[in-house]
Amino acid sequence: GAGVSQTPSNKVTEKGKYVELRCDPISGHTALYWYRQSLGQGPEFLIYFQGTGAADDSGLPNDRFFAVRPEGSVSTLKIQRTERGDSAVYLCASSPRGSYNEQFFGPGTRLTVL
Amino acid sequence: DQQVKQNSPSLSVQEGRISILNCDYTNSMFDYFLWYKKYPAEGPTFLISISSIKDKNEDGRFTVFLNKSAKHLSLHIVPSQPGDSAVYFCAASAQETSGSRLTFGEGTQLTVNP
Repeated sequence: GAGVSQTPSNKVTEKGKYVELRCDPISGHTALYWYRQSLGQGPEFLIYFQGTGAADDSGLPNDRFFAVRPEGSVSTLKIQRTERGDSAVYLCASSPRGSYNEQFFGPGTRLTVL
Repeated sequence: DQQVKQNSPSLSVQEGRISILNCDYTNSMFDYFLWYKKYPAEGPTFLISISSIKDKNEDGRFTVFLNKSAKHLSLHIVPSQPGDSAVYFCAASAQETSGSRLTFGEGTQLTVNP
């Protein structure tokens, strides 16, 4: 079966631009997570969806970041007015349900803000 | 504050020997712990997990030990193989209080020499 997929794999943008990053979770997984990984660091939690709703968005760094999952499957992470400090690998993960489950990660989207 | 710490950025072992990767945490609410392996340009891959009600979990060549009083866990790989060379991340969650968001350590680069 297919794993978690993320598109694009690489995104280069200019400071101030808007970007959207897409995540397709494993079919049937109700929980979906976004993380951000900077160079030399571990992944850092951003937001968690259970179904269509954001169950925990406390990791979003500021209001320039927003994520949706309108039909409980595909999710889009949206970043407005990008800054150079937003450059990182953005990872998406899904799991069959929320608690006490391993999370299955996608390959990530490498975002570079020039 | 770094709630999950992996103090060794790198570890080098000979093929066939034991690899021991260490992880310390500070949040006493963490009740579920996981180890992930990451190859370059790929997302983290789940290896093994342990609940706080246990002190050991074994899966083939991989064993995770949890010492709650010391807030310390370790991953043992025996025998180590060259294909085990990757970055290993320790992760923790506080399922009862913070849901299933994972907090990751900084990672340890393991190199297994033939």
